[in-house]
Amino acid sequence: SAVISQKPSRDICQRGTSLTIQCQVDSQVTMMFWYRQQPGQSLTLIATANQGSEATYESGFVIDKFPISRPNLTFSTLTVSNMSPEDSSIYLCSVVLVWAGGTEAFFGQGTRLTVV
Amino acid sequence: AQSVTQPDIHITVSEGASLELRCNYSYGATPYLFWYVQSPGQGLQLLLKYFSGDTLVQGIKGFEAEFKRSQSSFNLRKPSVHWSDAAEYFCAVTAPLTGGGNKLTFGTGTQLKVEL
Repeated sequence: SAVISQKPSRDICQRGTSLTIQCQVDSQVTMMFWYRQQPGQSLTLIATANQGSEATYESGFVIDKFPISRPNLTFSTLTVSNMSPEDSSIYLCSVVLVWAGGTEAFFGQGTRLTVV
Repeated sequence: AQSVTQPDIHITVSEGASLELRCNYSYGATPYLFWYVQSPGQGLQLLLKYFSGDTLVQGIKGFEAEFKRSQSSFNLRKPSVHWSDAAEYFCAVTAPLTGGGNKLTFGTGTQLKVEL
């Protein structure tokens, strides 16, 4: 299994500012994933973060808005830049453990972001 | 690309009644399938998963799910619902490891309300 520590757990931010969310995993993992969950919605993948390479962004998400760092195999950050009220969401970090014949995703507790 | 459909946005059941939450997926082969639960203010918790083999899988909290290839379905069931089961339930799918990413695709979720 994997234990993920994500912080902050929540924040209220002014529009136009940026927030950096940190994700720490208790074991080394190749890929880390960042999801957004807008109010009352499902989870949408923002990007996949591999150590030592640029993050891969899903359609509708761009690096300028959601820069991601992955300095080592246990840590990643997601920055929400130039925030607007539409960015108010829960942001979740995830890792996936893979073995022959199976896989399982583990999630952080999420960061509940409110932009005012 | 894979996709997941959860036809029921909201479901209300009485405590002690049986429950079935529907999930249909779209994928060219047999994917890996998951059910997660998210309680208010809580992170995502894995209820059960299916990779291969026995199509009826048992999970935590008395939940089970049945994989039906002919119907491309993975419905979640519980014989007797408890008030504490009130939460949001997400079905998710990922492609078996191909050397690429193992990103999850989530359904839109089903909000379960339990009447006492």
